[in-house]
Amino acid sequence: GAGVSQSPSNKVTEKGKDVELRCDPISGHTALYWYRQSLGQGLEFLIYFQGNSAPDKSGLPSDRFSAERTGGSVSTLTIQRTQQEDSAVYLCASRRGGSSYEQYFGPGTRLTVT
Amino acid sequence: EDQVTQSPEALRLQEGESSSLNCSYTVSGLRGLFWYRQDPGKGPEFLFTLYSAGEEKEKERLKATLTKKESFLHITAPKPEDSATYLCAVQADNDMRFGAGTRLTVKP
Repeated sequence: GAGVSQSPSNKVTEKGKDVELRCDPISGHTALYWYRQSLGQGLEFLIYFQGNSAPDKSGLPSDRFSAERTGGSVSTLTIQRTQQEDSAVYLCASRRGGSSYEQYFGPGTRLTVT
Repeated sequence: EDQVTQSPEALRLQEGESSSLNCSYTVSGLRGLFWYRQDPGKGPEFLFTLYSAGEEKEKERLKATLTKKESFLHITAPKPEDSATYLCAVQADNDMRFGAGTRLTVKP
C-alpha cells in the first residue's frame, strides 16, 4: 500500500530564498507531523496537525517557518528567507489517530542552504 | 520534564554477537513506547509498540521489552543487514519524544 510520500527528495537553495516542502500522508490518517533531523542528531518536533483542530506549532524554531494542511490531507512546510542553519532533513509522519499512536514516516526532504 | 535517553550512542558487533540497546524514559502518562529503525538517507521505519510494563514484542532477530522505567531492544545473532540507527520514542499525555538513537554496526 501507499506510504507517506514527500517531495522533493532533495532541495538546494541559496540563503535568503523561500522553500516549500510537501508531504502526502497515508490515506485516512488524521494526524500529521513535521520533524527536522540535522546530521547525526535526533528528531526535532516542528508542528502537528490533528483533524480540524488548530495545529500545535510549539516546535517551530522561528517565524520564518510555517505549515499548512489542506483538506485534512496534503501538508506544505514553508521556510522563508532560508539560513544555512536550516540545512537538515525534513521528515513528515502520519498516524491513524484516536488511540493509535504509531507514526509512519516519509523518506524525508534533504534541504541544503548554500 | 519528559525525557528519553538511549544508550549506547554507538555499538559495534560481530555478526552473531547478541546484545541489547537501552531506552530509559521519564514521562508523565505513558501511552506507548515505540522502536524505529532508520537506515542512512531514509525515514524511520516502525518496528514495535509497547504499551505496558512486562510486555514483549518480537520480529525476526529483534525483541523489545518494557519496564516502568526503560525498554530494551535485544538483538539475537545479528547480521550485517541489521546495521542501522535504532530510535526509541515515547508517547506521553501531551507529546511524542524521540531519543537520539543508537547507531548499530554489525561486521561480517
